[in-house]
Amino acid sequence: EVQLVESGGGLVQPGGSLRLSCAASGFTFSSYWMSWVRQAPGKGLEWVANIKQDGSEKYYVDSVKGRFTISRDNAKNSLYLQMNSLRAEDTAVYYCARDSDFWSGNQRVHWFDPWGQGTLVTVSS
Amino acid sequence: SYELTQPPSVSVSPGQTASITCSGDKLGDKYAWWYQQKPGQSPVLIIYQDNKRPSGIPERISGSNSGNTATLTISGTQAMDEADYYCQAWDSSTGVFGTGTKVTVL
Repeated sequence: EVQLVESGGGLVQPGGSLRLSCAASGFTFSSYWMSWVRQAPGKGLEWVANIKQDGSEKYYVDSVKGRFTISRDNAKNSLYLQMNSLRAEDTAVYYCARDSDFWSGNQRVHWFDPWGQGTLVTVSS
Repeated sequence: SYELTQPPSVSVSPGQTASITCSGDKLGDKYAWWYQQKPGQSPVLIIYQDNKRPSGIPERISGSNSGNTATLTISGTQAMDEADYYCQAWDSSTGVFGTGTKVTVL
């Protein structure tokens, strides 16, 4: 059974940092892209970042570029999200998701399945 | 940046058909995915590549995508279908989710 378990969430002050982790099991972690997706309280889903199988490509939503860093350790079957310079608007449940892809025309397209249970990040003074 | 727009809410009677639209510029030229999220739970993939169902998803759930609109259709709606539904597409190396639709089974 595929399992994704996030950890590392909590309360942090504006401007602070936090590192999220996602432990993967039940599939060949090194064969998949991985993504982080977040959901602010009572709001919709927002894709945050993804990373290629070997870590050689990383993409981010504009609102977190320069502040968040996605990384992975294939030996530990783990995905990470380093979040710096946190803002109130970063408050959300952060989900780790297995990211599948294929080429459609001249671009790679991705989707997310399955998802972890999420970890809550609250940015507040 | 690319945007996907969904109606905030859809109400349906048990046994009837619910249709949820997802609108985006030339969305039909891309692929659409759909996720279901029940209260307090993580999203679950229910339609991939416009109209394919993952294993375990009932046949009464279907999808289509043409022009500027992707549509999720739930036939013979049941109480268990009450949830939030999100469409998703990919554009310029960025994931994009729709605004989300709350389906209420009256």
